[in-house]
Amino acid sequence: EPEVTQTPSHQVTQMGQEVILRCVPISNHLYFYWYRQILGQKVEFLVSFYNNEISEKSEIFDDQFSVERPDGSNFTLKIRSTKLEDSAMYFCASSDEGGKDTQYFGPGTRLTVL
Amino acid sequence: DQQVKQNSPSLSVQEGRISILNCDYTNSMFDYFLWYKKYPAEGPTFLISISSIKDKNEDGRFTVFLNKSAKHLSLHIVPSQPGDSAVYFCAASWGYGNKLVFGAGTILRVKS
Repeated sequence: EPEVTQTPSHQVTQMGQEVILRCVPISNHLYFYWYRQILGQKVEFLVSFYNNEISEKSEIFDDQFSVERPDGSNFTLKIRSTKLEDSAMYFCASSDEGGKDTQYFGPGTRLTVL
Repeated sequence: DQQVKQNSPSLSVQEGRISILNCDYTNSMFDYFLWYKKYPAEGPTFLISISSIKDKNEDGRFTVFLNKSAKHLSLHIVPSQPGDSAVYFCAASWGYGNKLVFGAGTILRVKS
């Protein structure tokens, strides 16, 4: 069964460093998303991406964040200068043409900022 | 952001019985509702969804009911199995970007 994959599973970084979180969405999907979950809090939407551009972004997704689909399979989230409060589980998701009714999530990357 | 609320932090059910998980929402613009199951250290797993134009959707042991006038939906699991023990999230979407707004989750424990 096709699935969303994410690497790395755990990333530890120093405050102020840049990190890139990688995702391989399901191959025939057209919509891509990043969400995050800070420990003990709700899953929060960060950004959605369709047709090589951002469809929507949340207030969390400020200038420190960027997304890219560098080739036909990968979807990346970059945080330019990490802060302590960026420590969270980051989930990538993808959906097909319909988009609204089914989003499939990856296993997540745990980001720890020291 | 309290647009989607799951007011029960946890639920305990005997194996074989029905589990009912509840969710309330405030935004009448939501047009799709989804339920996800999540185990620790894993991503949310999609279970079932319902469009706002329907009041019921069924898939195997899982049924979702939507009451638009009450802005309330529920997930029924029948019969409950020990493997169903997980955190269940209600989520809703609307708009072009398809973003999902999640509830806080309900921990379901199915006792054998």
